[in-house]
Amino acid sequence: EDQVTQSPEALRLQEGESSSLNCSYTVSGLRGLFWYRQDPGKGPEFLFTLYSAGEEKEKERLKATLTKKESFLHITAPKPEDSATYLCAVQALGAGSYQLTFGKGTKLSVIP
Amino acid sequence: DTGVSQDPRHKITKRGQNVTFRCDPISEHNRLYWYRQTLGQGPEFLTYFQNEAQLEKSRLLSDRFSAERPKGSFSTLEIQRTEQGDSAMYLCASSLEAWKGEKLFFGSGTQLSVL
Repeated sequence: EDQVTQSPEALRLQEGESSSLNCSYTVSGLRGLFWYRQDPGKGPEFLFTLYSAGEEKEKERLKATLTKKESFLHITAPKPEDSATYLCAVQALGAGSYQLTFGKGTKLSVIP
Repeated sequence: DTGVSQDPRHKITKRGQNVTFRCDPISEHNRLYWYRQTLGQGPEFLTYFQNEAQLEKSRLLSDRFSAERPKGSFSTLEIQRTEQGDSAMYLCASSLEAWKGEKLFFGSGTQLSVL
């Protein structure tokens, strides 16, 4: 069974204080690992897809990396508008495997 | 691209009543998904449609839940004989068929409260 564990559950940062969020996963074979951002009362918003170990993706202050067992979302010099819950999800290889398995998320608060 | 639209945004019902939610995906997307999310948890997969065919359904999904996607356009999710444990945010997502992973676009969800 596919599993995703995210840590920490919550993170408070001062504006400009860089940090990383962790996503550990177990999956029979990885089709893709996904990062989403979710604001209160909204659906998740797509950020990145990573497909293989060693891959990196960047978008503004965010950078996602992938190893064979975990992924990191690095946040550089965060701003208050980066406050949100960040969700990690995996999709397994295999015919007929369409679902994403999500972690519980990391709630990030950036204090001005 | 108007995004994924869900209706209603909020639904309050009494235990034992039936409820139906609607999802309008992004127009050119042929794949449609339903997920359920409770407070403090990540979204949990419910079911998946490719065009009008329901191709995958969670093993955990009660037979009180049914979903349709007539003509491969909008979709409805019905819950019969609601229970308090059904209280959650019901999320719809759509995507274009892609050979390499799924980039899902989510709607804002329907928040269901069962009293």
